[in-house]
Amino acid sequence: AQSVTQLDSQVPVFEEAPVELRCNYSSSVSVYLFWYVQYPNQGLQLLLKYLSGSTLVESINGFEAEFNKSQTSFHLRKPSVHISDTAEYFCAVSDGSGNTPLVFGKGTRLSVIA
Amino acid sequence: EAQVTQNPRYLITVTGKKLTVTCSQNMNHEYMSWYRQDPGLGLRQIYYSMNVEVTDKGDVPEGYKVSRKEKRNFPLILESPSPNQTSLYFCASRSSGGRGYGYTFGSGTRLTVV
Repeated sequence: AQSVTQLDSQVPVFEEAPVELRCNYSSSVSVYLFWYVQYPNQGLQLLLKYLSGSTLVESINGFEAEFNKSQTSFHLRKPSVHISDTAEYFCAVSDGSGNTPLVFGKGTRLSVIA
Repeated sequence: EAQVTQNPRYLITVTGKKLTVTCSQNMNHEYMSWYRQDPGLGLRQIYYSMNVEVTDKGDVPEGYKVSRKEKRNFPLILESPSPNQTSLYFCASRSSGGRGYGYTFGSGTRLTVV
């Protein structure tokens, strides 16, 4: 079964600074990878996903993540964060058959400081 | 609008009083699942359903039941709720493969068992 490790439970960062949220998954022949964001008191929103093709995927609000098969990682990055990015971020994985459950990491709470 | 609808959004109940959380999707998805979210633990799958009349246990099924009598609905049933089931619950449905593969989550149900 797949598993996901988010290495940091909390990440404080100053506004306009860059940020990286780390995610590693257990190895599999192929995987689908996702980042979800949960703003305070809200549900889960898909931020970006990797299914196949280009290993660098981007979201509409400036986040990007790179699928690194050799390191089994899918780290999330943003070059300059805003106060509005304060949220909890979840990395998730399912195997590439698309038929296994989506497994989540424990989440990383990003706090952007003015 | 394509969506997953959960009800209620908030629920406070007493130990042992049976309750049902409803989940409905309008996307004709075959796959649906329930997760619970707890601080520091991320989201853990309770049950999932691959299609009508086909359900299976996830990682934390104890104390829960589900049914899938029709494709659009996937209710979560707590026959005798206990305080350790106090949590935030999410229902999700999954689109089929290809580039559209992905999950849509409901807005969540915050359950408190006293």
